[in-house]
Amino acid sequence: EPEVTQTPSHQVTQMGQEVILRCVPISNHLYFYWYRQILGQKVEFLVSFYNNEISEKSEIFDDQFSVERPDGSNFTLKIRSTKLEDSAMYFCASRPKGFLETQYFGPGTRLLVL
Amino acid sequence: SQQGEEDPQALSIQEGENATMNCSYKTSINNLQWYRQNSGRGLVHLILIRSNEREKHSGRLRVTLDTSKKSSSLLITASRAADTASYFCATCLMNSGGYQKVTFGTGTKLQVIP
Repeated sequence: EPEVTQTPSHQVTQMGQEVILRCVPISNHLYFYWYRQILGQKVEFLVSFYNNEISEKSEIFDDQFSVERPDGSNFTLKIRSTKLEDSAMYFCASRPKGFLETQYFGPGTRLLVL
Repeated sequence: SQQGEEDPQALSIQEGENATMNCSYKTSINNLQWYRQNSGRGLVHLILIRSNEREKHSGRLRVTLDTSKKSSSLLITASRAADTASYFCATCLMNSGGYQKVTFGTGTKLQVIP
């Protein structure tokens, strides 16, 4: 069964450094999402992406964040200058076109900012 | 309260017992989904129930949805130690542009004691 994959599974970085989190959505999916989950808290929506542009973003998704689909398979989340509070699990999700289709989540990348 | 609040926050039961988790939400939805998350791991989609459905079964899982009360419940029957995890409800609303907004609840941490 096809699945969403994410790399790396874990990343440790110094405060102020840039990180790029990578996701490979399921191949025929058209909508892509990033979520984050701070340890012990709920999963929070960051951004949705469709047709090569952001369709919706939350207030968390400020100018430090950007998303890109550089080729036909990868979907990336970049954090330009990481802060301590960016430490979280980041989940990518994708879904096919369709009114009621569910989102399929990747296994997540655990980011630790020191 | 926030969209997607689960109760109880934590539940501890003996193996073989049934576990019931509840989710309440505030806005209209197109569907509601339940996810499972093992500690520090990714999200696993369990079941989706559409807004025009009242009950759905999948193996040992039974989900109900009451749109008039804006609430859902997840019942796990004959629980096993391997069911120990956090369980999240997620409400889904499609807007007129076809974009899907998924909002996660706060989660119920289930512990099944062998």
